[in-house]
Amino acid sequence: DSGVTQTPKHLITATGQRVTLRCSPRSGDLSVYWYQQSLDQGLQFLIQYYNGEERAKGNILERFSAQQFPDLHSELNLSSLELGDSALYFCASSVQAGEVAGELFFGEGSRLTVL
Amino acid sequence: EDQVTQSPEALRLQEGESSSLNCSYTVSGLRGLFWYRQDPGKGPEFLFTLYSAGEEKEKERLKATLTKKESFLHITAPKPEDSATYLCAVPPGRGGSQGNLIFGKGTKLSVKP
Repeated sequence: DSGVTQTPKHLITATGQRVTLRCSPRSGDLSVYWYQQSLDQGLQFLIQYYNGEERAKGNILERFSAQQFPDLHSELNLSSLELGDSALYFCASSVQAGEVAGELFFGEGSRLTVL
Repeated sequence: EDQVTQSPEALRLQEGESSSLNCSYTVSGLRGLFWYRQDPGKGPEFLFTLYSAGEEKEKERLKATLTKKESFLHITAPKPEDSATYLCAVPPGRGGSQGNLIFGKGTKLSVKP
């Protein structure tokens, strides 16, 4: 158990809909990262938050947004969903506040299926 | 462009049959190379960090090594419980894209008893 909690574990929805994925980091970790994993693309970095502030942004679509709340949990919002958004979405956390964190603790992921 | 390439994509071994997985990278100013293990339906689990050429790290039947252009994950006398997908990752090079880690697509290892 990594200590990172993600909900829901599975989500099935229709194209055009909006969903919210939730992540609670390990106790004491201030950084939260969101990754998308699909069969053809592998793990792709989406966005990082550190103590409530956006720290880095990867290839995140404009239809996607995230935030980190004062209690450090984070939410990833996906809107106007398309079939291609079907993937595993992972949240990870780290204690490291510096430039690069290599030791990330991943949750078990949220599997999104868009029909 | 920063890139991480892993080979082979899949590897099937018999229990006890040692082998190596490769991770080659192109990034300017390497700031660490990281190995992860991912079991089906689970999130990646951190294994090793390597920072400089010549460095080696070991954990049970796994040994990770690093050169200036690639890293190897050596598996000695593997057991079925070593079956998983092994991922390597590097931070973007200085002046490259934002973000924390660039992951390779992984090597799926199957160890048969």
